[in-house]
Amino acid sequence: AQSVTQPDIHITVSEGASLELRCNYSYGATPYLFWYVQSPGQGLQLLLKYFSGDTLVQGIKGFEAEFKRSQSSFNLRKPSVHWSDAAEYFCAVGSYNTDKLIFGTGTRLQVFP
Amino acid sequence: DADVTQTPRNRITKTGKRIMLECSQTKGHDRMYWYRQDPGLGLRLIYYSFDVKDINKGEISDGYSVSRQAQAKFSLSLESAIPNQTALYFCATRGAGRGPQHFGDGTRLSIL
Repeated sequence: AQSVTQPDIHITVSEGASLELRCNYSYGATPYLFWYVQSPGQGLQLLLKYFSGDTLVQGIKGFEAEFKRSQSSFNLRKPSVHWSDAAEYFCAVGSYNTDKLIFGTGTRLQVFP
Repeated sequence: DADVTQTPRNRITKTGKRIMLECSQTKGHDRMYWYRQDPGLGLRLIYYSFDVKDINKGEISDGYSVSRQAQAKFSLSLESAIPNQTALYFCATRGAGRGPQHFGDGTRLSIL
């Protein structure tokens, strides 16, 4: 069955620290992958996407993610977190064979000054 | 103006009432989606539509219906609302090809 796992429900970091949010997927077809961010009271905003090619993708707000096929992972990283990064982050996977996305359950990021 | 607009933003209603949530978009996308978000469960797909004449059930369509009135409009209805339909509802759109989905700001629905 197709699935997306975000193993960390809640992460707390200090402002200026580095960040890595984990995402693992189980998908039979060749996947394409997304990270979205949701601020309180807002919809989901696309941070970055991977379809093919270079496995390290750059996104908005200084985020990047690396696709590792051998590990079925697409982890999100940021070298230095800002207080405004506090939000909920969702990983999602789709494929060329279907028009639907499967979302992970999200990771809530809290940033301390 | 937002590309994907959901109305209302908040709604409180009673069990048994009929409710319609509306979504309109100015992106010119053919594909539109309705999701619900519950704490700890992420987003789950209710219905999706590829065009006005093509509507498909998602993973949790029971208790919901939809109408695609035009390319730009996609409404979600709860015929007889029940408390476990209390959730945050999102509409999304997607263009042709491999592009991402674009989300509205959501409707927070509470059923008492």
